[in-house]
Amino acid sequence: EPEVTQTPSHQVTQMGQEVILRCVPISNHLYFYWYRQILGQKVEFLVSFYNNEISEKSEIFDDQFSVERPDGSNFTLKIRSTKLEDSAMYFCASSLGGSMNTEAFFGQGTRLTVV
Amino acid sequence: TQLLEQSPQFLSIQEGENLTVYCNSSSVFSSLQWYRQEPGEGPVLLVTVVTGGEVKKLKRLTFQFGDARKDSSLHITAAQPGDTGLYLCAGAAGTYKYIFGTGTRLKVLA
Repeated sequence: EPEVTQTPSHQVTQMGQEVILRCVPISNHLYFYWYRQILGQKVEFLVSFYNNEISEKSEIFDDQFSVERPDGSNFTLKIRSTKLEDSAMYFCASSLGGSMNTEAFFGQGTRLTVV
Repeated sequence: TQLLEQSPQFLSIQEGENLTVYCNSSSVFSSLQWYRQEPGEGPVLLVTVVTGGEVKKLKRLTFQFGDARKDSSLHITAAQPGDTGLYLCAGAAGTYKYIFGTGTRLKVLA
C-alpha cells in the first residue's frame, strides 16, 4: 500500500542550526502538507503546497521556515535557525485532491529535538 | 478561527465496554476525518465522512457526521485493548488545510 515516508525518524540539533526534514509523498498525490505536534499537544497545521507553491500557511510558519519540492518525489521542510521551541514531531502528509474532497495520509513523523 | 473540540479528553474503560467520542465545532466542515495515533507515530486514517447525517461503520467502530456538518462522533462497541490510542478528528478547513481536534486518549484495560 502506498505510504508517505519521512526521514530522518529522529533529528537532534543545536539551537541556531539549520535542519532539513525530508518527505516522500504518495506518488500520484498533488497536495502536500507539513504539520507539527509538540509533545502532549494537538497536531498543528504549518503549511500546504500545491502546484509548486505554498497554498496556505499558518502563523507558526514564519520566515525561519521554508518548503521545497526539489524534484518530482521529495518534499522538504527547512528550519533556518532552530529554536528550543521548535522541538516537536513534524509530520508530512499528502492528498490526491484538495482538503475539501479527499483525505490526507500522514507519514510516521520526524522527531526534532533542539538542544 | 475554526476549532474542533473533542470530548472526553481522556477515557479509561474495561475491555468489552462501549464508548463514544465526540468532535464538536461551531463551524461547518465540508468533510471530516477520524485518525488514530500511536505514541511516536503519525496519525493513521480511519474514515472520512462527507455528507451531513452520514454514518460509516468500520468493524466495531461507527462514525457519524452531524446533519449540519459541525460535529461528529465515534462509537466503539465492545472495546478491546488493541483499540487503545489517541483518536483525532480533523476537518477540511478550506481547500488547502485540515485542522485537528484536541484529541481523545483512550485506554482499554484487559
